This record gives sequence, C-alpha cells and structure tokens, in this order.
Amino acid sequence: DIQMTQSPASLSASLGETVTIECLASEDIYSNLAWYQQKPGKSPQLLIYDASSLQDGVPSRFSGSESGTQYSLEINSLQSEDAATYFCQQHHDYPPTFGGGTKLELK
Amino acid sequence: EVQLVETGGGLVQPGRSLKLSCVASGFTFNNYWMSWTRQAPGKGLEWVASITNSGGSTYYPDSVKGRFTISRDNAQNTLYLQMNSLRSEDTATYYCTRGGGDYWGQGVMVTVSS
Repeated sequence: DIQMTQSPASLSASLGETVTIECLASEDIYSNLAWYQQKPGKSPQLLIYDASSLQDGVPSRFSGSESGTQYSLEINSLQSEDAATYFCQQHHDYPPTFGGGTKLELK
Repeated sequence: EVQLVETGGGLVQPGRSLKLSCVASGFTFNNYWMSWTRQAPGKGLEWVASITNSGGSTYYPDSVKGRFTISRDNAQNTLYLQMNSLRSEDTATYYCTRGGGDYWGQGVMVTVSS
C-alpha cells in the first residue's frame, strides 16, 4: 500500500497568516492527490483535486502544489472558518490511502 | 444539489451483521463510481469499498475483504454496504462518497460492542 505521511500533525496560526501542510507519498502517485477539510462533527469536504485543481466553490486562498512525491496545501490569509482538520488522500493505486491529518487551530 | 443520505447505522454485537444504505440525489447516479469511507472516533479516514457505475466490479481493502459487500441499485439511486462478522475495530462513522470523494454524505455511526 502507498503510505501518505502528513505533517505537521497540528499547528496553531493567527488570522491573516499563511500556513503550509505537507504530505509525502511513499512512491510516485502522479499527481493523483486530493486535499480535504473536515470541521468537527461534519463530513470531509473536497478542497483540491489532482494535486493543484481547486474544487468549485472553494476560496482561492487555498492552493495545492507538488514537488516529486511531496505534496503541499497552502492556505493564505487565514480566516476563522479555516479552523479544521485537513487530510490528504492518494488515489493513484488501490487501496486509496489518507494522510493522518493536520489539525489547524486559529490563535 | 448533490445529496447523499446514509441510513442503517446503530449498535450491533460482535459477529453480527448490519446493512447500510445511501440514497443519492441531484446527479445521474449510474454515471458514477461510488464508495464507502469510514472514520473511527477521533481517528483518521479509511477507505472501505468502491463499486463501478454499473456495479460490475467492486474493490475492498484487506481489512474488510470477505466480510463487507458493496452493492448498488441504479434504478433506486441507492448504494449499500452489507457488513458481516462485525468486529469492535469496525466501530466508526461510515460515509458514502461519490466517486473518489468529491461529495460526501453526513455519515452514519456504527458501534460494534457487546
């Protein structure tokens, strides 16, 4: 199975700041990566697909990028509503696997 | 508007069975693969099963293979997950998702405990 190592596990940032969350794939996943946001008690919501494509309706302050097997989610100009847990998922090969999650707290 | 509504969760004893349903609306159901993904309390996400749009092929991780069966009724726009020989480690919220996960249901809780 492809392992997705997500970091950091948690982070705290202030309104207006920029944060980056990373996922390292154990092998090449050819940009077949999605990022999800999950708020407490809610289901995950798709933010980014194919590593860097923004899902319809998602604010442009969210962006995705890649470098080799390292994938990044950047959130610019943090807003209060961005407090959530973020997950990456690879869907290059079965089984689809998720990163362990990053809990983002707003100071 | 795409909607996925799961039902069928609850408390079940180890070794028993449970069947989840997911009614889809707002899109052409038979055009899409569908999947189930679960999340144990306070934990991460784990893919559970996928089915092709025709229902002709299904996929499972080793953790549920042979115990869980995904199926669909395209005439009723409904996805199912039959769960047999349930274990305590199957306790989780189960989400129905369209395709790889562009839309998710609200989730249904399954608790396996004696």
